[in-house]
Amino acid sequence: GAGVSQSPSNKVTEKGKDVELRCDPISGHTALYWYRQRLGQGLEFLIYFQGNSAPDKSGLPSDRFSAERTGESVSTLTIQRTQQEDSAVYLCASSQRQFSVGYEQYFGPGTRLTVT
Amino acid sequence: QQPVQSPQAVILREGEDAVINCSSSKALYSVHWYRQKHGEAPVFLMILLKGGEQKGHDKISASFNEKKQQSSLYLTASQLSYSGTYFCGTEYMNRDDKIIFGKGTRLHILP
Repeated sequence: GAGVSQSPSNKVTEKGKDVELRCDPISGHTALYWYRQRLGQGLEFLIYFQGNSAPDKSGLPSDRFSAERTGESVSTLTIQRTQQEDSAVYLCASSQRQFSVGYEQYFGPGTRLTVT
Repeated sequence: QQPVQSPQAVILREGEDAVINCSSSKALYSVHWYRQKHGEAPVFLMILLKGGEQKGHDKISASFNEKKQQSSLYLTASQLSYSGTYFCGTEYMNRDDKIIFGKGTRLHILP
């Protein structure tokens, strides 16, 4: 079946512009996660959705970052007034959360954002 | 809060064994292991749950010491395809559904 998809795959933007990154999770997956990965670095948690609610936004770096999700479907990560330090690969993952069973996350291919 | 992985990098010859460690300063509910090849998305390897349940990979094993808040990933008779960066992700006992990943361990297998 179809995996997690993200668009665009690459985005080059000028400093100060807004960008929207999209994630289409696997159908039926209730949980959706956004991570940021700077070059050669680990996975930095940004935000987590269970359905369309976001119980944890603690990872968002600043108020320039926001995210929303429609039901148990598409999610959009928006970065306003982009800065050069926002340059990174933004990864989305989805999972079928089942309490006390454990779950695995399926990652999308990522969006490489370059702010010039 | 980020788990600590060691070593940071490993170089092995094909057929050799490797152990990658992951330790946490907080009580853990589960530990997740992923592998990421260069330019690709991370891929699931293993989940270890508090209480001993384990879901994962045929050729790779792992342990979870709940008391020590540590997990180790064991790669035996390594193959060239094992090369990549290995990340452990930890879920804490407060069950907030958030997984915090370590900085990764880079593994390079030489022929």
